[in-house]
Amino acid sequence: DAMVIQNPRYQVTQFGKPVTLSCSQTLNHNVMYWYQQKSSQAPKLLFHYYDKDFNNEADTPDNFQSRRPNTSFCFLDIRSPGLGDAAMYLCATRRQGSTDTQYFGPGTRLTVL
Amino acid sequence: DAKTTQPTSMDCAEGRAANLPCNHSTISGNEYVYWYRQIHSQGPQYIIHGLKNNETNEMASLIITEDRKSSTLILPHATLRDTAVYYCIVRAGGTSGTYKYIFGTGTRLKVLA
Repeated sequence: DAMVIQNPRYQVTQFGKPVTLSCSQTLNHNVMYWYQQKSSQAPKLLFHYYDKDFNNEADTPDNFQSRRPNTSFCFLDIRSPGLGDAAMYLCATRRQGSTDTQYFGPGTRLTVL
Repeated sequence: DAKTTQPTSMDCAEGRAANLPCNHSTISGNEYVYWYRQIHSQGPQYIIHGLKNNETNEMASLIITEDRKSSTLILPHATLRDTAVYYCIVRAGGTSGTYKYIFGTGTRLKVLA
C-alpha cells in the first residue's frame, strides 16, 4: 500500500548530539511537511518542501534543518538537541492540486537524555 | 493566518451522534476547513474537509455556517474506536504549493460504553 513511512519510530539521543529523523513516501506527492508535537499539544508546523523549494516557519529554531534529496525522501536534522526538543515528530505529504489532503506518517518519538 | 478554537474535551455515548464544534471566526474567503483525528501515539488521520458547503463522506458530516465562522463535525453513530483527539484545521497560504495547515488545540472525544 502507498504510504508515508517514518524511521525510526523511537529515537533516543543525548543532549547536544546531532540526530537525523527520516521520512519516505510511496505516494509520489510533491509537498512534504515536518511537524513537532509535544505532549498533550497540537502538531506545530516546522517547515515544508514544495518540490525542492524549502519553506521555513518564522518561529522554527535554527537548530532544526531539513533536507529533501529526492521526491520520496525528506530528513529532519536536529543539530544540537536540547531537553526541550523531546517530542513526537510527524511527517506529512500532499499532492498539490488534488484534494490537498495531507497524509501523515506514524511519527518518530524523540527522547533527549 | 486564521486560528481555530475547540472545546478541550467532550464525552459521547456509544451509538449516539457526536457533534464537535469549531470556531474559526477569522477565516478568509479562500481558506478551507479540514478535520483530522489522532488516536494515541499515531499520526493524524484525515476525516473530511470543506469550503462553504456542507460535506458528507463515509466517516462523518461537516456542517459549515453560512458566514463560515464556525463548523461542526458530526460522527453519526459514535463507536468506542472513535475515541481520539479531533483537530479542526484551517488551510492557509497563498498558492497551492505553499498551503499550510494550522492545527487548533483539538477536542479530546471520549466515547462511553
